Amino acid sequence: AQTVTQSQPEMSVQEAETVTLSCTYDTSESDYYLFWYKQPPSRQMILVIRQEAYKQQNATENRFSVNFQKAAKSFSLKISDSQLGDAAMYFCAYRRSNNDMRFGAGTRLTVKP
Amino acid sequence: DTEVTQTPKHLVMGMTNKKSLKCEQHMGHRAMYWYKQKAKKPPELMFVYSYEKLSINESVPSRFSPECPNSSLLNLHLHALQPEDSALYLCASSQVGRGSYEQYFGPGTRLTVT
Repeated sequence: AQTVTQSQPEMSVQEAETVTLSCTYDTSESDYYLFWYKQPPSRQMILVIRQEAYKQQNATENRFSVNFQKAAKSFSLKISDSQLGDAAMYFCAYRRSNNDMRFGAGTRLTVKP
Repeated sequence: DTEVTQTPKHLVMGMTNKKSLKCEQHMGHRAMYWYKQKAKKPPELMFVYSYEKLSINESVPSRFSPECPNSSLLNLHLHALQPEDSALYLCASSQVGRGSYEQYFGPGTRLTVT
């Protein structure tokens, strides 16, 4: 079974600073996809960034980037120039090719003005 | 239109009631999902429909009965629920197949079982 571990229940960052959220996963499969989703308080879950396991290049989306270490089964999210609107619960997710998706426990990010 | 809609937003039901949750998308997605999310926890996958056929059932109790009448609609029929079934029920949709297709989530139905 695939498991996703987020070891930081809570993180805090100063506005305009950089923060890194960690995620590790366990799998024996070679074909899978990794995601970071954001769930603001009482709002919908939205995609932050995605990574295909077969791609060595780390994904980036504006202020968001990942550090994907396939051998170490690590998939961390870096948020640069943090903004107040980045405050949310962040979930790391692992998805198999059959659309079976599993989430980590989540990291609650607080952004301090 | 990149929206997944869910109705109702809130539902309170007794343990002997029968109710249904509804989810709709018009993005042409052929995979639809039900998740259960307890407070301060991650979503837990319940069911996956692919091309209107149930492809994944995560050993969910039979008091939850999913239905996919067509490619745009997904229902979750509820019967004889327990108080521990109180949670946020999320619907999602995505494209099918190999690829890093994102799942689009609805706002959820907050269910309270009394």
